[in-house]
Amino acid sequence: DGGITQSPKYLFRKEGQNVTLSCEQNLNHDAMYWYRQDPGQGLRLIYYSQIVNDFQKGDIAEGYSVSREKKESFPLTVTSAQKNPTAFYLCASSGTSGSSNEQYFGPGTRLTVT
Amino acid sequence: GQSLEQPSEVTAVEGAIVQINCTYQTSGFYGLSWYQQHDGGAPTFLSYNGLDGLEETGRFSSFLSRSDSYGYLLLQELQMKDSASYFCAVRAAGNKLTFGGGTRVLVKP
Repeated sequence: DGGITQSPKYLFRKEGQNVTLSCEQNLNHDAMYWYRQDPGQGLRLIYYSQIVNDFQKGDIAEGYSVSREKKESFPLTVTSAQKNPTAFYLCASSGTSGSSNEQYFGPGTRLTVT
Repeated sequence: GQSLEQPSEVTAVEGAIVQINCTYQTSGFYGLSWYQQHDGGAPTFLSYNGLDGLEETGRFSSFLSRSDSYGYLLLQELQMKDSASYFCAVRAAGNKLTFGGGTRVLVKP
């Protein structure tokens, strides 16, 4: 089955620790994205990558870092510099041609930092 | 930058019709997308309007007016399973999406 996997589903960390969230896709999509969602709110773009070895900051990149060494993988690191890291993190991928470029989302990782 | 406005909540009964409006202010507009998200789940794509007019996909339709910076999602023959949050999202260059705050639709029997 083609799709996007994110692991783990729930993650708990202490303040001051960096944590890396996994995102893997087997849809052969060139573009991948990371979003953050806070309760009752919309999705906000953290980072995106349109091709391997290249990525751009989204609207709320501060305190986060990414890498794109393989087409299938786009891990997100939440650093200790992120002031309020507790949130629901969603990874997505899409093609780069076509009219709608529908984004396909993974199941998300719920991160709690105490 | 981009900003989008949509109502926070709508309540309707089964079988009814609901219209969710979305107004936006943006630079570099390519089109308007709609996504559905059930509680605790991932967003799923519903519809996309790149040109003015109506797009129909089964019970759901979406409309766009570029000149008015306005679009809507129409949910017809509402079912209990349609209870979810619905997000409009502006598509910009690089397939970047900027999402609205979401409209929570509650369907009552």
